[in-house]
Amino acid sequence: GENVEQHPSTLSVQEGDSAVIKCTYSDSASNYFPWYKQELGKGPQLIIDIRSNVGEKKDQRIAVTLNKTAKHFSLHITETQPEDSAVYFCAASKVEVGGKSTFGDGTTLTVKP
Amino acid sequence: KAGVTQTPRYLIKTRGQQVTLSCSPISGHRSVSWYQQTPGQGLQFLFEYFSETQRNKGNFPGRFSGRQFSNSRSEMNVSTLELGDSALYLCASSPPTGNGGETQYFGPGTRLLVL
Repeated sequence: GENVEQHPSTLSVQEGDSAVIKCTYSDSASNYFPWYKQELGKGPQLIIDIRSNVGEKKDQRIAVTLNKTAKHFSLHITETQPEDSAVYFCAASKVEVGGKSTFGDGTTLTVKP
Repeated sequence: KAGVTQTPRYLIKTRGQQVTLSCSPISGHRSVSWYQQTPGQGLQFLFEYFSETQRNKGNFPGRFSGRQFSNSRSEMNVSTLELGDSALYLCASSPPTGNGGETQYFGPGTRLLVL
């Protein structure tokens, strides 16, 4: 089955700096890659996603890049703010399979004011 | 639209008991997936229901089961609880296939503690 590895497990940055989280996946048939942000006491919230027919997607301070050949994708957060502090998860799935995603182990991001 | 709701939010049980958790998806969503989240294992897929049928299943023992009703609400049941079942159980719903059906929207979860 699919295996998703996520790095780093913890990341600490100064406010205003950029943060990058990387994930690799094993199943070349995976074609949908969402990123989630989970705050304490809440469920994961989708922040951005990318499909395999696109190499990059941006939404304000957040961007995701996908390299299908290398089977890795990354989350980039620019101009980080303290409210960006949370646990971030990447995931991989196949659109045609439906609601079954394989998640990375998460990255705890701390943004220091 | 209201988000995914899960009840109860917190639950304490003892070993050997059984538990039923409930999930109400976003209106119009027909797919409901369940995940177990623990510090050691991360988010693990349990199963997915679509139109009252189990469409996908993860690698959990038969003690974990679920069902979906005609209004898309879903329940999951864990029988003969073990200490290791202590976790946050998350439910996620998805829009109809072909309309972003791969996108999952999560509820706040039910935190289960087994003593």
